[in-house]
Amino acid sequence: DAGVIQSPRHEVTEMGQEVTLRCKPISGHDYLFWYRQTMMRGLELLIYFNNNVPIDDSGMPEDRFSAKMPNASFSTLKIQPSEPRDSAVYFCASGIFRDFPEAFFGQGTRLTVV
Amino acid sequence: KQEVTQIPAALSVPEGENLVLNCSFTDSAIYNLQWFRQDPGKGLTSLLLIQSSQREQTSGRLNASLDKSSGRSTLYIAASQPGDSATYLCAVNNAGGTSYGKLTFGQGTILTVHP
Repeated sequence: DAGVIQSPRHEVTEMGQEVTLRCKPISGHDYLFWYRQTMMRGLELLIYFNNNVPIDDSGMPEDRFSAKMPNASFSTLKIQPSEPRDSAVYFCASGIFRDFPEAFFGQGTRLTVV
Repeated sequence: KQEVTQIPAALSVPEGENLVLNCSFTDSAIYNLQWFRQDPGKGLTSLLLIQSSQREQTSGRLNASLDKSSGRSTLYIAASQPGDSATYLCAVNNAGGTSYGKLTFGQGTILTVHP
């Protein structure tokens, strides 16, 4: 398996624009997580899904952020409108926590909002 | 709310030294604890995972221990090498309810091993 695949790897956008980050989890994994990493706050969980259903979105900073998982092999994190303070590295992770309780992370998307 | 603290924040050692990284957490109701390595500009690589019922796990020169009752874990690196230089992150997976599967991360320890 190629692991968790995220795209794009880097994104530079202007303030106010819509940004969509994409994630393909490892096949067969039933949990999917979106994390954000900044120097100030470290790694923070934004939202996670179990069997494509959002379980906990309490970490989503505000209504400008939304996440979807239309099927077991794809998820998106959308920011609309983007702001400079959204600049961070966004990681997607997946896992099967009952059978093999380990989280596998993608390489991340580095987002810069100017 | 689970809080994870890692000490020290940064560590610089000469090659060959044995070293210990510390992680503490406030809520002992954890499902497991995972140690990750992150290289600059890269993603996270899982090093070791310890189930709540386990005391330690070993992989090569790495040994991680878990004392759930006291809310502590240590990562021991034997005979450190320059290639071990990276940020090491500790993360706990809380048990039960909507917390199940969520990882709470510490701020990490930046390790530099110089030749």
